[in-house]
Amino acid sequence: AQTVTQSQPEMSVQEAETVTLSCTYDTSENNYYLFWYKQPPSRQMILVIRQEAYKQQNATENRFSVNFQKAAKSFSLKISDSQLGDTAMYFCAFMKPNAGGTSYGKLTFGQGTILTVHP
Amino acid sequence: KAGVTQTPRYLIKTRGQQVTLSCSPISGHRSVSWYQQTPGQGLQFLFEYFSETQRNKGNFPGRFSGRQFSNSRSEMNVSTLELGDSALYLCASSLPLAGGSYEQYFGPGTRLTVT
Repeated sequence: AQTVTQSQPEMSVQEAETVTLSCTYDTSENNYYLFWYKQPPSRQMILVIRQEAYKQQNATENRFSVNFQKAAKSFSLKISDSQLGDTAMYFCAFMKPNAGGTSYGKLTFGQGTILTVHP
Repeated sequence: KAGVTQTPRYLIKTRGQQVTLSCSPISGHRSVSWYQQTPGQGLQFLFEYFSETQRNKGNFPGRFSGRQFSNSRSEMNVSTLELGDSALYLCASSLPLAGGSYEQYFGPGTRLTVT
């Protein structure tokens, strides 16, 4: 079974600064997908960024980028130019491709990191 | 496109009762997954439906069940409610990706409180 670990329960950053959230995972799969989701106080889960394991290039989405280290099974999220609206809980998540019916539609989440952006 | 909708948003039930939660996926999405979120256990996968068929199930007791209709709307049911079922229940509508994975878009959730 896959496990996802976020070792930082809470982080804080000043507005306009850069912060990195850590995530490690354990899997025996070679092909898989990794995601970062954001859950603000409204509790609406929002997809931030996605990384395919077969791609060596790190994904970027505007101010959000990842550092994907497949051999180390590490998947960190970097938020540049932090904004007050980035305050939220951030979840790292893992998904296996559909194969044999055991992985359909199933995301495995880490415990989450609460990020607070201070003005 | 309209996002994922879940009804009701808030619900208070008594132990022993049953409850039904509803989820309408994004138009065109045929896969719906359900998750339970609690402070103690975090986010846990309940089940996934595609074309009215349950394709995957998490490690939850049989009191938790679901179904999907021909229009892809999904319902989940919890019977004989226990205090520990108090949680935020999230529904996710999936867009398939090349390579066999999905990109999931979540609804706002239903906050269930069992007293």
